[in-house]
Amino acid sequence: RKEVEQDPGPFNVPEGATVAFNCTYSNSASQSFFWYRQDCRKEPKLLMSVYSSGNEDGRFTAQLNRASQYISLLIRDSKLSDSATYLCVVNKGWSSYKLIFGSGTRLLVRP
Amino acid sequence: GAGVSQSPRYKVAKRGQDVALRCDPISGHVSLFWYQQALGQGPEFLTYFQNEAQLDKSGLPSDRFFAERPEGSVSTLKIQRTQQEDSAVYLCASSPPRKDEQYFGPGTRLTVT
Repeated sequence: RKEVEQDPGPFNVPEGATVAFNCTYSNSASQSFFWYRQDCRKEPKLLMSVYSSGNEDGRFTAQLNRASQYISLLIRDSKLSDSATYLCVVNKGWSSYKLIFGSGTRLLVRP
Repeated sequence: GAGVSQSPRYKVAKRGQDVALRCDPISGHVSLFWYQQALGQGPEFLTYFQNEAQLDKSGLPSDRFFAERPEGSVSTLKIQRTQQEDSAVYLCASSPPRKDEQYFGPGTRLTVT
């Protein structure tokens, strides 16, 4: 079983739609959680950190469920520019600097 | 401000050649990481430096891979006697003090023929 699992997609949605991605992780000691965005042939860029209380940044909302060990990302009012691969990222364990990346979920937003 | 920079951006090597990949982290970031990313996969951890000390090299796939950061700023990842399976994008990331998030450079795309 992979340490971080994501649905690879692609999720194909019209502009303006709301779309949600989930990710599960296997290490219950993980303490740091992130969503990164990666465009084709580019580097991963930090989208947002994920906190226990949940957090929102504009059209993006991230949630963490420690009991079930899953993380979600909700994108409201999708834009064409949101088309990318979204990587779920978890640290290896308590205070670990080592980040474990999921394989990513691909999002395509169509006009 | 300036982000993480890497060079070269693209490298084609014949099997058996040695290559050296350079990373220049964000100024003030003491933590530096190297990752390998295969097509369709997320980045995989290779090694970690705090200043000039290599604290973790558990992800290096073989003893042909070697990384250094002698003055605690620029880092070099060296691959000796390259093999076809070494073809991948090599990403460098740095992290600000007392923070977990990592910021990535544009990567070096290595193709071994």
